[in-house]
Amino acid sequence: DIQMTQSPSTLSAFVGDRVTITCRASQSVSTWLAWYQQKPGKAPKLLISEASTLEGGVPSRFSGSGSGTEFTLTISSLQPDDFATYYCQQYNRFCTFGGGTKVE
Amino acid sequence: QLQLQESGPGLVKPSETLSLTCILSGGSISSRNHYWGWIRQPPGQALEWVGSIYHTGSIYYNPSLKGRVRVLLDTSKNQFSLNLYSVTAADTAVYFCARGGATNSFELWGQGTLVTVSA
Repeated sequence: DIQMTQSPSTLSAFVGDRVTITCRASQSVSTWLAWYQQKPGKAPKLLISEASTLEGGVPSRFSGSGSGTEFTLTISSLQPDDFATYYCQQYNRFCTFGGGTKVE
Repeated sequence: QLQLQESGPGLVKPSETLSLTCILSGGSISSRNHYWGWIRQPPGQALEWVGSIYHTGSIYYNPSLKGRVRVLLDTSKNQFSLNLYSVTAADTAVYFCARGGATNSFELWGQGTLVTVSA
């Protein structure tokens, strides 16, 4: 099974900060990597698919990069609405989520 | 408006079967461009993929669930379902249904339903 390790698990930041979250896969997943944002009591929202493709309606301050085993999600200038938990997810026949990063 | 909605009992006894249904409105569950999945989230914990079903009939399950899970597609009712057998307290979670697409990510989610396993 492919394991996904996210870091950090918690990130403290201020509005306007540049924020970077890392996701590492235990083996290559090519670019089959997605990022989600989840707020308390809500379903996750897809932000980025295929490692770097921004979903429609997602602000351009979000970006994703990486391939193989190492991926990053970057928020260029943190906004009040961005305080949430972020998850990466790989697809390789089976699907695995990372442990999450809470941005507070 | 395209929407997924989960339904099912909120309380299940240990050793019994958890059964949930997810109905799609505003679209067709027979779409060849999508697949359908279940994801769960224990209270205060991370998301965990449960299983996915494709229009081809292919079904994939999380190996950690060790054969306790079954996902079915019912195109006549535009819905799909989850059965999780021999549940324990560790199966207590919010269960989400979701639609996956060509990018192998879940692009549409239901609101989620909390299922508690308790006597």
